[in-house]
Amino acid sequence: GQNIDQPTEMTATEGAIVQINCTYQTSGFNGLFWYQQHAGEAPTFLSYNVLDGLEEKGRFSSFLSRSKGYSYLLLKELQMKDSASYLCAVRVLSGGYNKLIFGAGTRLAVHP
Amino acid sequence: ETGVTQTPRHLVMGMTNKKSLKCEQHLGHNAMYWYKQSAKKPLELMFVYSLEERVENNSVPSRFSPECPNSSHLFLHLHTLQPEDSALYLCASSQGLLTGDGYGYTFGSGTRLTVV
Repeated sequence: GQNIDQPTEMTATEGAIVQINCTYQTSGFNGLFWYQQHAGEAPTFLSYNVLDGLEEKGRFSSFLSRSKGYSYLLLKELQMKDSASYLCAVRVLSGGYNKLIFGAGTRLAVHP
Repeated sequence: ETGVTQTPRHLVMGMTNKKSLKCEQHLGHNAMYWYKQSAKKPLELMFVYSLEERVENNSVPSRFSPECPNSSHLFLHLHTLQPEDSALYLCASSQGLLTGDGYGYTFGSGTRLTVV
């Protein structure tokens, strides 16, 4: 089967750095995505990794190790508006086409 | 505005009602999806459409009936739902089913459904 694990909740302080981990066991790996979802809003794209290593985009970075089935999202200089759920998703090739399999999400609370 | 619009944003319905959820995308994408999002659970893929043709039905009960009249519109018709069907229903689109780009899916804001 396909399985993606990430912590349920995390808390952090404004201005700090937080790392959200994601481990996956899937077949047909074809890329890993991170999405941000504020309460009552659409999930929005944050980052994409398909090769091993670190991808940096402003305050957000994402890392992938395909051999370990592991990724993390790193958020720097945390702001209050970063309080949201962060969804890890793996794109797999299954049944002849690509589909996204999601983890349950990590709810991040940023405190002053 | 994300490019994917869902209506209504909130819906309360009785177990004997019939209602429909609507999704519209203005991105020129060829694939559209329905997901169910329940509290503390992963997004569950319900249906996949490519160029108006349904390619996946993930063992979804028949009380959920999708319709895709064209590549820009997707509906989810609901009838005789159960309280456990209460959830956030998200629509998404992507360029195509075999596209391996770095953008993934574009999601709508969802319909918060409550079955009473």
